[in-house]
Formats: sequence, C-alpha cells, structure tokens
Amino acid sequence: DTGVSQDPRHKITKRGQNVTFRCDPISEHNRLYWYRQTLGQGPEFLTYFQNEAQLEKSRLLSDRFSAERPKGSFSTLEIQRTEQGDSAMYLCASSLGTGTEKLFFGSGTQLSVL
Amino acid sequence: AQSVTQLDSQVPVFEEAPVELRCNYSSSVSVYLFWYVQYPNQGLQLLLKYLSGSTLVKGINGFEAEFNKSQTSFHLRKPSVHISDTAEYFCAVSGARNTDKLIFGTGTRLQVFP
Repeated sequence: DTGVSQDPRHKITKRGQNVTFRCDPISEHNRLYWYRQTLGQGPEFLTYFQNEAQLEKSRLLSDRFSAERPKGSFSTLEIQRTEQGDSAMYLCASSLGTGTEKLFFGSGTQLSVL
Repeated sequence: AQSVTQLDSQVPVFEEAPVELRCNYSSSVSVYLFWYVQYPNQGLQLLLKYLSGSTLVKGINGFEAEFNKSQTSFHLRKPSVHISDTAEYFCAVSGARNTDKLIFGTGTRLQVFP
C-alpha cells in the first residue's frame, strides 16, 4: 500500500492554457474521487469513478473540465482554457468498495493560474 | 442533500488543555459522519467516523466525537492537546444509504500554543 499518488504537486500556468493532472489510487481501489479545495474552504466534490465508469459530476465541473479513468486504474483531470478562478488544490481520493466509509487522499496538486 | 457547518474557523488553545471542535449537519435522511485532519502540504487523513451503533466514537491520536441526533451535531474532542495537533480539521457527512460522496465543512484551524 503506497498510498494515493498525485502528479504534479505544483503547477503554474498562464490563463488560457490547458493543464492535466494525474492520480494513481491505491492498488485495487475501485472508487476514485476528485475534489477541489480553495483557500480557507473545505474540499468540494467534483466527480467520482466506480472502476472506469464516471458515475457523477458536480455542477462545479464546467465544460472546460474533463476527467477520465480509462482502465479503472489511474485517472486524469484536464482543465482547458484555464481561468484565474481555477486556482486551487485538486485532491484525489480512492476507496475500496462502494461507499465513503474510508477515503484515502493524495497530497493534491496545487494549481496557480496567472 | 446533506450539508455541514463548522462554526469556528479558528480555535487557539494552549498545550495540554482540552479542546472541542464543533460540527453541525443537516440532512433529511440518516447519515454517516466523519472527521478528517489535514496537516500542512498534505492530504486529508481520517480521524474517526460514525456509521451506526455507539454514539461515542474514538479515533486516532486520542480524539473522540459524539453523535447527537437530536442536536444534529458531531463535535470533536480531545482532553489534552499537543503541539503536533496543530492542523486543519474537517467535518464531513454522507447519506447512510447514498454514500456516493462526502460533503465537507469549511474546516477549523486548530492552533496549539506552548
């Protein structure tokens, strides 16, 4: 059990650029979640996957955001045409089973849009 | 839908003093309740959870919380804090039947002074 891994840890980009983040969940964890955390706020749910199926997307996830989990293992979160308001910590979490009884979080990717 | 309110954004306390971090939730259905801790530059770590059964829940690092259904509260307590407990603490809720995602509060910053 090596924990949930996120890459990169930090990303600085210019407004209008596209960015992609990667999350590697704990091996054999079938659920994978993406959350966004802005300064002074709690994590906000973005989307989650059960294996490779994306089962729910938050209204926070605009058309510029897309997430994939092609083989039910790692996941990517892409933001197109970034805006300054996208600056936040993007957290990935994984769990085994079908519930929220225990989520394991990664250390996050800190995005700064200049 | 569920929601969580953490009334105290910051709680300063001296080392070895007791502490209580308050959490109130709102839900029309039965809930699961959680406390997570976030140390600087790290992801969230589960402290404790209430799923069912005894309303007094004990977690890691000497923390405990009590589920009070009539007051819709799930306050976190520790009888004697350490400097190392300085961190951000998040209360979270999910529906007991629909456990697809966690809804987090805005967090409480616990600052322990020597």
